[in-house]
Amino acid sequence: QSVLTQPPSVSGAPGRRVTISCTGSNSNIGAGHDVHWYQHLPGTAPKLLIYSNTNRPSGVPDRFSASKSGTSASLAITGLQTEDEADYYCQSYDSSLTSPFVFGTGTRVTVL
Amino acid sequence: EVQLVESGGGLIQSGRSLRLSCAASGFAFENYAMHWVRRAPEKGLEWVSSINSNGFSVATAHSVKGRFTISRDNAKNTLYLQINGLGVEDTAFYYCAKGTNDVVEAGFLDYWGQGTLLSVSS
Repeated sequence: QSVLTQPPSVSGAPGRRVTISCTGSNSNIGAGHDVHWYQHLPGTAPKLLIYSNTNRPSGVPDRFSASKSGTSASLAITGLQTEDEADYYCQSYDSSLTSPFVFGTGTRVTVL
Repeated sequence: EVQLVESGGGLIQSGRSLRLSCAASGFAFENYAMHWVRRAPEKGLEWVSSINSNGFSVATAHSVKGRFTISRDNAKNTLYLQINGLGVEDTAFYYCAKGTNDVVEAGFLDYWGQGTLLSVSS
């Protein structure tokens, strides 16, 4: 079981806004470690969506944004599009573990 | 253009061993830490193992420690994952990913391969 908890699923109609939470603790997000977000369609290459809490790599639409506060982080998708239907994962570092990478439990986004 | 191409997966009996490979191109492979991440059916992404740029520092998930060994050949721009004592729980897509610096610790993964599917039968 991951130390970063996400809702199993979120859904929204095309054009709407959805948010995905990533809840951690004082040994990961709350300790100041950066949060990164990935998009993944099973069977394809995962894609970096947001790095270092709020930054979008080149080529990622500005419909995707993220924030971090306290022991949690969140990813927002505005103007939801059908191609956004995928699994989304947060990732950080946990100082209580020996793993340099900890992924969240993952959230399936469904476009209604 | 950064490219990561995994190979070596397939259908294999439990208890056997195999080695996954990841051929890298489009960047200075020898300057970056590299990583393996897997995704089992109906499960989420799971970090497996990481290796620093010169291969002298590695980290491996507790769940696979002792059975999985990461290595790299910088002359061949290739990353490897040796898996011994395969179990059905190892069935997953295995992805290699590029780090953003030369060390194992922390950071994020900016490029990923398409993955290679490993199916372990009992």
